[in-house]
Amino acid sequence: NAGVTQTPKFRILKIGQSMTLQCTQDMNHNYMYWYRQDPGMGLKLIYYSVGAGITDKGEVPNGYNVSRSTTEDFPLRLELAAPSQTSVYFCASSLEGGWGEQYFGPGTRLTVT
Amino acid sequence: AQSMTQLDSQVPVFEEAPVELRCNYSSSVSVYLFWYVQYPNQGLQLLLKYLSGSTLVESINGFEAEFNKSQTSFHLRKPSVHISDTAEYFCAVSDQAGTALIFGKGTTLSVSS
Repeated sequence: NAGVTQTPKFRILKIGQSMTLQCTQDMNHNYMYWYRQDPGMGLKLIYYSVGAGITDKGEVPNGYNVSRSTTEDFPLRLELAAPSQTSVYFCASSLEGGWGEQYFGPGTRLTVT
Repeated sequence: AQSMTQLDSQVPVFEEAPVELRCNYSSSVSVYLFWYVQYPNQGLQLLLKYLSGSTLVESINGFEAEFNKSQTSFHLRKPSVHISDTAEYFCAVSDQAGTALIFGKGTTLSVSS
């Protein structure tokens, strides 16, 4: 099992550019999540999905978009990147949602300049 | 709404000393509580969880946490820390719908010799 994989590991974007952060899990989990982590701020939930075709906003969704066409993949789209989106992004998956363990990917470090 | 408050942002200790990382939760419903650990440049890993039953839960590497309903706390303890325990620690609570987790802002544990 590869678990949760994320690509790329690092990326530098210019203001106004767009990109997609990829996330794939091979554990057949229905629940998937995107978080951003900023120093001293913990993890903030951006979007989550409870199954293929179903997504919902988290605490900080502005400037992001997601899709969930398969159980395995949950890409995060950044449109018109802004410096405020400089952060470390983590994808996670879970079999039991908020009642069970979340499995995290290694993260993507994004810098917007 | 649920929330998690980690009372210390940084905890420096010497090797083999005991440590306590404090976390208080706020919730109007039954809670599921978690502690996650993040080693440098990695994603989060589950350390231990409280779902129901015994209020004292243990991890495989010597950490334990006690669920205290009257004080709404879920503090993490270890009687003797190692250099390798140096990491950031996050407590989390399940959200009201049971679909996602709400994380505290994290406590950085620094163990020195």
